[in-house]
Parts: sequence; C-alpha cells; structure tokens
Amino acid sequence: GAVVSQHPSWVICKSGTSVKIECRSLDFQATTMFWYRQFPKQSLMLMATSNEGSKATYEQGVEKDKFLINHASLTLSTLTVTSAHPEDSSFYICSARQGELGTEAFFGQGTRLTVV
Amino acid sequence: EDQVTQSPEALRLQEGESSSLNCSYTVSGLRGLFWYRQDPGKGPEFLFTLYSAGEEKEKERLKATLTKKESFLHITAPKPEDSATYLCAVQENSGYALNFGKGTSLLVTP
Repeated sequence: GAVVSQHPSWVICKSGTSVKIECRSLDFQATTMFWYRQFPKQSLMLMATSNEGSKATYEQGVEKDKFLINHASLTLSTLTVTSAHPEDSSFYICSARQGELGTEAFFGQGTRLTVV
Repeated sequence: EDQVTQSPEALRLQEGESSSLNCSYTVSGLRGLFWYRQDPGKGPEFLFTLYSAGEEKEKERLKATLTKKESFLHITAPKPEDSATYLCAVQENSGYALNFGKGTSLLVTP
C-alpha cells in the first residue's frame, strides 16, 4: 500500500511553546489530507481536513487558531499546535487518500505529543 | 448518536479459536466501509475497503463482509500476532473524511 510518513513520532514540549508535526505522502500525491486526534483507548477523532492550496476545514469544536494546518504541496501537510498546554497532550495522526473518494486511506505512524 | 458502533469492546481468544468482530453503522449513504488494524502507539494499518452489501474481502486469516447495516471481520484460527485493536470506519457519500468506531481490542493467547 501507499506510504504516509509522519514526523516526529514523539515530542515533549514546555507549556506555551509551539510544536509542528509533518505529514508526507511518500509515493503518491494527496490533494486531501486529514488530521486526527486519539486519546488513550478512544477512537480517532477528526480534527480537520487539509486541502492543498486552500484553507483547512475544521471540525466543530476544534480551534483553528490553536491548531494551524498548512498544506503547501501535494505531498506535505503540517499541523502546528500553538501555545501548547498539558491538555493538548495526545496522539495525533494524519491520513492521506490516494485516488478517488472511497478508495484506500493510509495513515501515518502518529505523533505522541506530551506537554509539560 | 454514534454512526459507527463496534462490538465487542474487547475480545480474548485462544490461538486457533475463530471469532468475528462486528461493526454496525447508520449513514444515509455509504460510500465505503474501512477496516484497520492498530497496534499500540502506532497509526492504523489499512486492511480492507468494502463498498456494497454482499461484498467480501480476504487477507490471510481475515475476512470482511458487508451488509446494509453492518460489517463483520472474521478471524480464522488466529495467532498471537493478530493481537491488536481493530477499527471500523465509514465514509458517507456526502463527505471525504472517515468516521471511526471505538474499536475492538483483540488479544490472542498462545
């Protein structure tokens, strides 16, 4: 299957600082990427849909000024957690779709963010 | 109300003991139903996509089936390495994103 690479796999930051997470589709072009958040023993909750060359679409309850998403190219989307607080500690996962809607969606390996 | 409900939440099997995981869904129009495997601390690994009722797909010891209201993931003669959380997700005709269930945590003991 297609490969989606996410970096870093884990990060620890101090309260008030910002953290950037990268999501790359390595062997295909992805016009749309998705960012999810997962709490322990919970399912994946969609945060936003990232579209290349345009503004991201955020789900209800997700602060767009706190979770900045940039999709600058067909192979790269970034999520920046700004002014991070301990409650932002979570597992963040990106996904990219290859091909038409309804075809396989591939996930990155996830980023464990811990804010201290 | 949850669109995707998975059961059971947790399942413990002995090696070789076959079983099925259930995913019930309620959407107005289904574009696709996806099954993923997730290991602790990792992103979901794609297993199958099913598009229409009656469709079946197989991969090694796993077989996924789909009806108009639910999907089953059958595990035949499981091995300890099949231990993981299995996630079901649906995509509606009206949207791009996947809506996930809470998953079934499977433990296969030797």
